[in-house]
Amino acid sequence: AQTVTQSQPEMSVQEAETVTLSCTYDTSENNYYLFWYKQPPSRQMILVIRQEAYKQQNATENRFSVNFQKAAKSFSLKISDSQLGDTAMYFCAFMKPYTGNQFYFGTGTSLTVIP
Amino acid sequence: KAGVTQTPRYLIKTRGQQVTLSCSPISGHRSVSWYQQTPGQGLQFLFEYFSETQRNKGNFPGRFSGRQFSNSRSEMNVSTLELGDSALYLCASVRDRNTEAFFGQGTRLTVV
Repeated sequence: AQTVTQSQPEMSVQEAETVTLSCTYDTSENNYYLFWYKQPPSRQMILVIRQEAYKQQNATENRFSVNFQKAAKSFSLKISDSQLGDTAMYFCAFMKPYTGNQFYFGTGTSLTVIP
Repeated sequence: KAGVTQTPRYLIKTRGQQVTLSCSPISGHRSVSWYQQTPGQGLQFLFEYFSETQRNKGNFPGRFSGRQFSNSRSEMNVSTLELGDSALYLCASVRDRNTEAFFGQGTRLTVV
């Protein structure tokens, strides 16, 4: 079974600073997909960034980047130049390939950006 | 293009009743997944439908069921509601396997 662990229930960061959210996972699969989703108060889950396990290069999307350590089964999210609109719950998610679109989510990290 | 539409947004039901939630995926997306989100259990996978067939099922009792229509719209049904079924129910629409999932805003179900 796949498990995803987010060990930081809550975090805060000053506006314009950098913050890193942690995520570890457990799987016996060699190929898989990892995601970070953001859920603001509006409740709509929004994709932040996606990483394919067979790609060694860490994914980046503007101010968002990941540190993917496959051997350590770690997938952390770095948010640079934090903005007030980044305040949200952040979920790390795992997906196995070729088994349908089933996500395994972590318990989430509530991030607050302080003005 | 229009996003994923879930209806209704809010629902209050009494224990023992049944409820049906609806999800209209993005046009062209054939896969719809359902998730239950609660403060205690987080986000848990209920089931996934692809081309009107259930492709995956999570670890939920048989009171939770779903279906998908030929236009890819999906419904989930919960029978004999229990207080513990109070949750945010999210559906996700996916075009192809392992690509980005687009989520709806959810249906907030309260069982009293």
